[in-house]
Amino acid sequence: DADVTQTPRNRITKTGKRIMLECSQTKGHDRMYWYRQDPGLGLRLIYYSFDVKDINKGEISDGYSVSRQAQAKFSLSLESAIPNQTALYFCATSDPQGAETQYFGPGTRLLVL
Amino acid sequence: DAKTTQPTSMDCAEGRAANLPCNHSTISGNEYVYWYRQIHSQGPQYIIHGLKNNETNEMASLIITEDRKSSTLILPHATLRDTAVYYCIVRQGGSEKLVFGKGTKLTVNP
Repeated sequence: DADVTQTPRNRITKTGKRIMLECSQTKGHDRMYWYRQDPGLGLRLIYYSFDVKDINKGEISDGYSVSRQAQAKFSLSLESAIPNQTALYFCATSDPQGAETQYFGPGTRLLVL
Repeated sequence: DAKTTQPTSMDCAEGRAANLPCNHSTISGNEYVYWYRQIHSQGPQYIIHGLKNNETNEMASLIITEDRKSSTLILPHATLRDTAVYYCIVRQGGSEKLVFGKGTKLTVNP
């Protein structure tokens, strides 16, 4: 079984709808992240959380919110989806020990019409 | 975090070694060199990382120059499944994010 899972894997929604993307991990890591990737571009950080009570904005947090329900779960919400939020979304986790390698989920492909 | 420079694309014959270079001339003493790869729209996959010494694992070897200003990722026997975009990232341990540049598109040819 995968260590980092994301649901749904694909989602089509309409402008103005609220949607939630979910991430779960079995690696036991404290730190979790949400990134988005647009075609031909690198990943950009949306939000990150270093533990259950910690939430931090990344470089592109506008229009998004997150919830860290437990150590293993980190959800990303689009309060009112707009077409330029069409992208690939990746969740990642890391352990704050040592070099703190990040491990990524398989991604959610979101299309906002 | 220090900036990295990688070639846009490279080709390699199946079964041969793939050597992917990365320049990071502004790296500081506490920054690690990480390599990730992304196979078409899948989640980035961690390959290897190092600080000063050369490193080897089951996937690849990482050679870091003595002055730490450049490194090379070596895939010893490339296969078609190694076709991917390879990202070299320099980052401090404990930094909250990975900065992905454009990477190197490696194509392994039959």
